[in-house]
Amino acid sequence: NAGVTQTPKFRILKIGQSMTLQCAQDMNHNYMYWYRQDPGMGLKLIYYSVGAGITDKGEVPNGYNVSRSTTEDFPLRLELAAPSQTSVYFCASSRTSGRGIEQFFGPGTRLTVL
Amino acid sequence: GQQVMQIPQYQHVQEGEDFTTYCNSSTTLSNIQWYKQRPGGHPVFLIQLVKSGEVKKQKRLTFQFGEAKKNSSLHITATQTTDVGTYFCAGIFSQRSNDYKLSFGAGTTVTVRA
Repeated sequence: NAGVTQTPKFRILKIGQSMTLQCAQDMNHNYMYWYRQDPGMGLKLIYYSVGAGITDKGEVPNGYNVSRSTTEDFPLRLELAAPSQTSVYFCASSRTSGRGIEQFFGPGTRLTVL
Repeated sequence: GQQVMQIPQYQHVQEGEDFTTYCNSSTTLSNIQWYKQRPGGHPVFLIQLVKSGEVKKQKRLTFQFGEAKKNSSLHITATQTTDVGTYFCAGIFSQRSNDYKLSFGAGTTVTVRA
């Protein structure tokens, strides 16, 4: 199993550009999450999904969009990049049986907006 | 909103010494998880605590969940260079059985002096 994979690893965007951060998992997990990590700030939840076709906002959703057409994939879209979106983005997934299940994280995408 | 506060933000430790990092919430947590992130890496799950007063050990790491389920701690004994990284606590506030959203603390970044 590859676990959770993310592409690209690094990206530099100009203000106003758009891009999609890709995330895929091969563990058949229903729950998937997108976080951003700023220095000294921990991880903030952007969006999450409890299954294909179902998404919901997290703590910091403004400026982002997501879709979940399959169980495996959960792309994050930035429509008009702003310097405030410079961050490291992590995708994660978890299974749904039981209560409070551990999350498996991808390697992250380091995004810089100039 | 509901937050998890973590202290200290930085911990500089002499190799062989012990240290503790603390996690606090103003409201009751359903459960709490701990993750470790090595420099340049992604968060990796360490443990989950669910019961009031629960104590769990993993080799040199001891995790506690407070009686009121509002605080938690991670104690590392005989620190080694392999302990370098950032330790995050992450709590679930919701009592709903299908709500797995985590609120992350800001993390404690540990450096070790050999």
